[in-house]
Amino acid sequence: NAGVTQTPKFQVLKTGQSMTLQCAQDMNHEYMSWYRQDPGMGLRLIHYSVGAGITDQGEVPNGYNVSRSTTEDFPLRLLSAAPSQTSVYFCASSRLAGSYEQYFGPGTRLTVT
Amino acid sequence: TQLLEQSPQFLSIQEGENLTVYCNSSSVFSSLQWYRQEPGEGPVLLVTVVTGGEVKKLKRLTFQFGDARKDSSLHITAAQPGDTGLYLCARPIGGYQKVTFGTGTKLQVIP
Repeated sequence: NAGVTQTPKFQVLKTGQSMTLQCAQDMNHEYMSWYRQDPGMGLRLIHYSVGAGITDQGEVPNGYNVSRSTTEDFPLRLLSAAPSQTSVYFCASSRLAGSYEQYFGPGTRLTVT
Repeated sequence: TQLLEQSPQFLSIQEGENLTVYCNSSSVFSSLQWYRQEPGEGPVLLVTVVTGGEVKKLKRLTFQFGDARKDSSLHITAAQPGDTGLYLCARPIGGYQKVTFGTGTKLQVIP
């Protein structure tokens, strides 16, 4: 049981480049989300999904796209990277019913130069 | 707007000392969670408190939910280097399982 996995672990991009951060979970959780973590800012919600085919915006969605074609996978796309997107990105999953405990992946550290 | 404010932002103490960190909100919330995040890893849930005035203990960690359900505290007795990490409080917002996190308290326990 791997839980939540994220790839890559580290990434350096040039301004304007695009990339996809991968996230997968094997716990059959309906709810998945993406957060970014910046010093002194805690975790801020980017996008979330309550099931395959359903996504919605969080607190800081600009510059990011998501899709959810399967229960297991929830990729995050940066269409045109900007230095302001330098951050650590975490994917999380949770059951829709009961406790709202979030299970987090190990994170992707992204630097945009 | 940050719905959850945590204090202090940073805390550096000697092994064996006691400490308390706080999580405050201007609005009432139904429940609250505390997570710990170690360097290079994602946060991991420590506890969920759901009732005003509730106290939960996890070994040397004591969590309290304020009577008015607008604040919470985490007290660590006889801190150890293994307690080092970022402590985050979190509360549900809106529907589904959406969760907002506090700004975090970074704890360093020096051997």
